[in-house]
Order: sequence, then C-alpha cells, then structure tokens
Amino acid sequence: RKEVEQDPGPFNVPEGATVAFNCTYSNSASQSFFWYRQDCRKEPKLLMSVYSSGNEDGRFTAQLNRASQYISLLIRDSKLSDSATYLCVVIGGGNYQLIWGAGTKLIIKP
Amino acid sequence: ETGVTQSPTHLIKTRGQQVTLRCSSQSGHNTVSWYQQALGQGPQFIFQYYREEENGRGNFPPRFSGLQFPNYSSELNVNALELDDSALYLCASSSRTSGDTGELFFGEGSRLTVL
Repeated sequence: RKEVEQDPGPFNVPEGATVAFNCTYSNSASQSFFWYRQDCRKEPKLLMSVYSSGNEDGRFTAQLNRASQYISLLIRDSKLSDSATYLCVVIGGGNYQLIWGAGTKLIIKP
Repeated sequence: ETGVTQSPTHLIKTRGQQVTLRCSSQSGHNTVSWYQQALGQGPQFIFQYYREEENGRGNFPPRFSGLQFPNYSSELNVNALELDDSALYLCASSSRTSGDTGELFFGEGSRLTVL
C-alpha cells in the first residue's frame, strides 16, 4: 500500500460545477498536510495547507479527517483555469520528509 | 516566479553516462531538496541539503549524489544512467527544513531522457 494515495482521475467537470478530491495516508503519525497544484509540464506550487479544523481560501476548502486518515479538497464554482493536477502532500512519521501522492488530474470543460 | 533556477532544462543521455544537474536556490533560502518525478507520478524525494550537508535521503541508490555550495546552490549527480532514470528532476528551496512549513519553492525542473 502506498503511503499517500489519490484517485488519478481524470475528473472531467463542467465549468461552474463543484468538485471534490480525497487523499488517504497510511501513517497515523503524520503531522502536516498540504495540497499542491501542478500545471502540465510545470513545477508544483503550494495551493493551501490543511488544518485540523478545516480551512477555506476563496473557492477552495480543505479538510482533514484524522480518524479515517484522509484529507479532502473541495473546489466550488470551478473555472477553466482550475484545470491542473492536484497533489496531496503529507509530512510526518518522525523524519519530516514530504510524501507526495501521485496526483489527481482535473479537467474543467466549458 | 519562485526565484529558483535549474539547468539544463532538457537533456538527452545514453545508458551508462553520467549527468550533473544544477540548481540556484531562492535568495535567503538555505535548504535545497531534490525530487524525481516520473510521468504520471508524484515527486519522489531524493535528498535534501541544509547548510552544505545532506539532511535526509529518500530511497535512491548511491549513484545519486549531490552537493550544496556555500551560496546554497546545489548539484545533483547521477552516475551509470539507466533507462528508468528518465524523469523530470525538480529542485526546491526553502528557508528551513521542510518539516516546519511544507512550503517548497520549486524550479521549473530538468527533463532528462535516457536512451
């Protein structure tokens, strides 16, 4: 089992729709969680951190469920520019290394 | 722009050859991490350098080696190239070890093709 797992997609979603991704992690000692965005053939960029109480940044909402060991990302009112691969990142287990999921590809269609 | 620059952007090598990839970190950052990203996969941690010393290593063989210089720029060296080494190599800089903030600033990567 991979340490961080994501549905690879692609998710094909019409513009304006709401879309949600989940990411599961295997190490219960994991401490910090993040969502990164990666455009095609570009480098990853931090989208948002994920806090225990959940957090929102504009159209984006991130949540953490420690009991079930998953994090989620919700995108509301999706835009064409949201098309990208969304990578889940987990830190923890004592070595402070970032463990990356393989990413979920999102395609927003007009 | 992140201020992290990598060179070369693209290169082609043959099996058995050696390659050196270079990275200039963002001003003020003393930590550099290297990642390998195969097509359709997330980045895989190779190693991290903090103040010129290796500060953590992923599951990569010894033929992957690195350096960090006094100005915090860094090199990744790969010896005896194999076909599976074909990937995008990403350099990321941060101001502290990544465990503190999780925010890494990536360069645009060096795309290596091994034939």
